[in-house]
Amino acid sequence: SQQGEEDPQALSIQEGENATMNCSYKTSINNLQWYRQNSGRGLVHLILIRSNEREKHSGRLRVTLDTSKKSSSLLITASRAADTASYFCATAGEKLTFGTGTRLTIIP
Amino acid sequence: NAGVTQTPKFRVLKTGQSMTLLCAQDMNHEYMYWYRQDPGMGLRLIHYSVGEGTTAKGEVPDGYNVSRLKKQNFLLGLESAAPSQTSVYFCASSKIRQETQYFGPGTRLLVL
Repeated sequence: SQQGEEDPQALSIQEGENATMNCSYKTSINNLQWYRQNSGRGLVHLILIRSNEREKHSGRLRVTLDTSKKSSSLLITASRAADTASYFCATAGEKLTFGTGTRLTIIP
Repeated sequence: NAGVTQTPKFRVLKTGQSMTLLCAQDMNHEYMYWYRQDPGMGLRLIHYSVGEGTTAKGEVPDGYNVSRLKKQNFLLGLESAAPSQTSVYFCASSKIRQETQYFGPGTRLLVL
């Protein structure tokens, strides 16, 4: 069964705009991770946020975690064409469970 | 460092044939995983290993077997392939369980 569910399923924005993706989950977690997958490639780890953290930054990425609402968001600022990819959240509870992903398209 | 590598990249099988997918990592990670990725289903864990000589079942283990004879290698076997096993298979490894996983490039399998 899926733990994390991303929203929206697909998102298209103009280059330079910010992109926000959300992840909701159902049970308690130890950490939550975000991964990127370019078409036809393996997943690449972007950022890990622990259950006792509320916000984390990495370059143009900002991740928030609200354990009371069981949700997380991934913000990509100043998007680039190279950001076009699918983005997955993975929740670490008893096991690490991946969501079905958000497909992000950056329009040049 | 090559990271995580997978062979083969692509394979076509007929129903009933067998094959082995090989995963290798050079990061000295204890944990290794096999996933399958199907459209709309996300990644689903098939089997995993917490160290050399150990294996455990994941979410969708039926029809697959695994072995971890060496720490750096994790093999996934299909004894009698079925069309339902058509998928993209990913291997991953991690230093700490349930933390950052490093993925291979994937193996695309088509079962006719």
